[in-house]
Amino acid sequence: AQKITQTQPGMFVQEKEAVTLDCTYDTSDPSYGLFWYKQPSSGEMIFLIYQGSYDQQNATEGRYSLNFQKARKSANLVISASQLGDSAMYFCAMRVGDTNAGKSTFGDGTTLTVKP
Amino acid sequence: EPEVTQTPSHQVTQMGQEVILRCVPISNHLYFYWYRQILGQKVEFLVSFYNNEISEKSEIFDDQFSVERPDGSNFTLKIRSTKLEDSAMYFCASTRGTAKEAFFGQGTRLTVV
Repeated sequence: AQKITQTQPGMFVQEKEAVTLDCTYDTSDPSYGLFWYKQPSSGEMIFLIYQGSYDQQNATEGRYSLNFQKARKSANLVISASQLGDSAMYFCAMRVGDTNAGKSTFGDGTTLTVKP
Repeated sequence: EPEVTQTPSHQVTQMGQEVILRCVPISNHLYFYWYRQILGQKVEFLVSFYNNEISEKSEIFDDQFSVERPDGSNFTLKIRSTKLEDSAMYFCASTRGTAKEAFFGQGTRLTVV
C-alpha cells in the first residue's frame, strides 16, 4: 500500500523568504510519480510540480522546486521568494506504476501562511 | 489552455435524494477519476475509469455510487441516495495516461441537509 506523510499541519513564512514543506512517502513499487498541488481557499486543486522516481535531477518549476531524496523517501517542496498569494493548503501526492494512470494517494496537507 | 470543468460548483440536496455531478475532462485524455475531500480533510480517491469501465475503486465507492461516460465528453458521478456524510467537495480529474500529472477540475461542493 502507498502512503504519503506530511508532518507539518501549518507553516508560517515571511514574504520574500523561502520555505520548505515536508513530504515523505512509502511504496514498494520502483516506478512512481510524486506531485505537489496547491489548494487556495477557493477550493480548486492546482498542480505545481512533478518528480518521477527515475528522474535524475530534482524538478523545478519557476519558484517551486522539489528536493527529491530517494533513499530517504522524501519529496520536499521548496518555494522561493514567497508571495502573499502563496498562502494556501499544499498537498503532496503519489501515483504508483508505469502508466501514470493509477490513482493518486494524497497526504493530509500543510497550510502555508505568508506574512507580510 | 485546456481544463477540466465541473458543474455545478455547489449543490445542496436533501438526504435520500439522488445527485449527479458532472465533469468535462480534457478532450484528449483517456483516464478519468473522481476524488472526494471532506471539509478540512485529505483528498480521497473514489474511482478511476478507463475505456468505458471502472479500472479501480476505493472502499468508499459502494453501491450508492456509480460513474458513467454517457457521450464523448461528459463524465458523471451519481450518488443514488445521499447521506449527510456524503457532504464534501468532489473533484474530477483526468490524464492522458502518459502525462505526468492529473488535471483537476475546480470541484463541486455537495451539501446534504
